[in-house]
Amino acid sequence: DIVMTQSPDSLAVSLGERATINCKSSQSVLYSSNNKNYLAWYQQKPGQPPKLLIYWASTRESGVPDRFSGSGSGTDFTLTISSLQAEDVAVYYCQQYYSTPPFTFGPGTKVDIK
Amino acid sequence: QVQLQESGPGLVKPSQTLSLTCTVSGGSISSGGYYWSWIRQHPGKGLEWIGYIYYSGSTYYNPSLKSRVTISVDTSKNQFSLKLSSVTAADTAVYYCARPSLHYWYFDLWGRGTLVTVSS
Repeated sequence: DIVMTQSPDSLAVSLGERATINCKSSQSVLYSSNNKNYLAWYQQKPGQPPKLLIYWASTRESGVPDRFSGSGSGTDFTLTISSLQAEDVAVYYCQQYYSTPPFTFGPGTKVDIK
Repeated sequence: QVQLQESGPGLVKPSQTLSLTCTVSGGSISSGGYYWSWIRQHPGKGLEWIGYIYYSGSTYYNPSLKSRVTISVDTSKNQFSLKLSSVTAADTAVYYCARPSLHYWYFDLWGRGTLVTVSS
């Protein structure tokens, strides 16, 4: 199985400041035939299911604010919230969908307001 | 739009079988070629993909749970179900039904989840 790790475990950012979350996969999730990274990001607020934010490492899901952006390739990825809003307090997960099942998630990064 | 709703007992005794159902509304489980999945989240922890079923009945399970998991589908009721046998306290979790996108395995549709506690 591909193992996903995330850093930091948690972070606190002032409102309006940038939040950066890192995700690393134990093997590349870049599929050479189509040059796509099979990596998604989710946001989970307390008591709610995860919500898809980004797929293909950098494509925002419809309706997701453009302050959320994804970058990276191969094994190293980043989710950036450019200007943190109060409603962004949540746990963020990365997920690889490169390999045959099981599809694996990172352990999550908790984002709070400083 | 399509919605998912989990249902089932919130409390299961150790060694018994956990049974949950996911009802699909706003669309047919038989259409569109989707693979309907179960995912669980241990309290305060990350997400674990359990398995999927296609409307035809074909399944794939996480090898870590394969010996205890059965996922089935009832197209007449627009439902799919999860059975997890021989449960222990380690199976206490929020169980989600979810649907990946049409062709790729990122999950764009989730149920609200249901907490199942394993306790005597």
